Amino acid sequence: DAGVTQSPTHLIKTRGQHVTLRCSPISGHKSVSWYQQVLGQGPQFIFQYYEKEERGRGNFPDRFSARQFPNYSSELNVNALLLGDSALYLCASSLVDIYEQYFGPGTRLTVT
Amino acid sequence: AQSVTQPDIHITVSEGASLELRCNYSYGATPYLFWYVQSPGQGLQLLLKYFSGDTLVQGIKGFEAEFKRSQSSFNLRKPSVHWSDAAEYFCAVGATGGSYIPTFGRGTSLIVHP
Repeated sequence: DAGVTQSPTHLIKTRGQHVTLRCSPISGHKSVSWYQQVLGQGPQFIFQYYEKEERGRGNFPDRFSARQFPNYSSELNVNALLLGDSALYLCASSLVDIYEQYFGPGTRLTVT
Repeated sequence: AQSVTQPDIHITVSEGASLELRCNYSYGATPYLFWYVQSPGQGLQLLLKYFSGDTLVQGIKGFEAEFKRSQSSFNLRKPSVHWSDAAEYFCAVGATGGSYIPTFGRGTSLIVHP
């Protein structure tokens, strides 16, 4: 069975640009969560979506947004990129809640 | 607000030696507690979790963790480390009521010497 997949694997953007990251959950999983992992730190929770509705939001500015599609895949959008947005962005899926999440390999975003 | 402290940034052990990784949490009630492992270039993999009940939790890959309420700790242990255990280990805490927003520690890097 396929695990959580994320695309792209790596991405380089310039300050001020916009980026869209994509995530496909494990088949049957209806919840998707997004995390930002800055180098040398633990993951920081950004969003959780369940059945296309936002269930949780971490302490991130409004430049960060996300959505979940009818097939439960998800996009994370970041506007007006800053150098500090450079990080590994992780997506995790679960059946319902976040108690047992399965993580994807992440998207490495570099902002120059 | 909940928080997690992993006081050791790096831990070096010899292959075959025992391992204990420390985790201290701050939360007003009994939290949900987790340990994850991250290998280079990989996502996180759940090793074990504690919700309630027996305070000694068994996980995958031979790991176990013990919840100690009096010490606000949830230390991860393994009796005999293998070279393949070299990775980054993260402790996480989650609220037990309402929306679960997990908080991760900054991680402990495990180095295994042959």
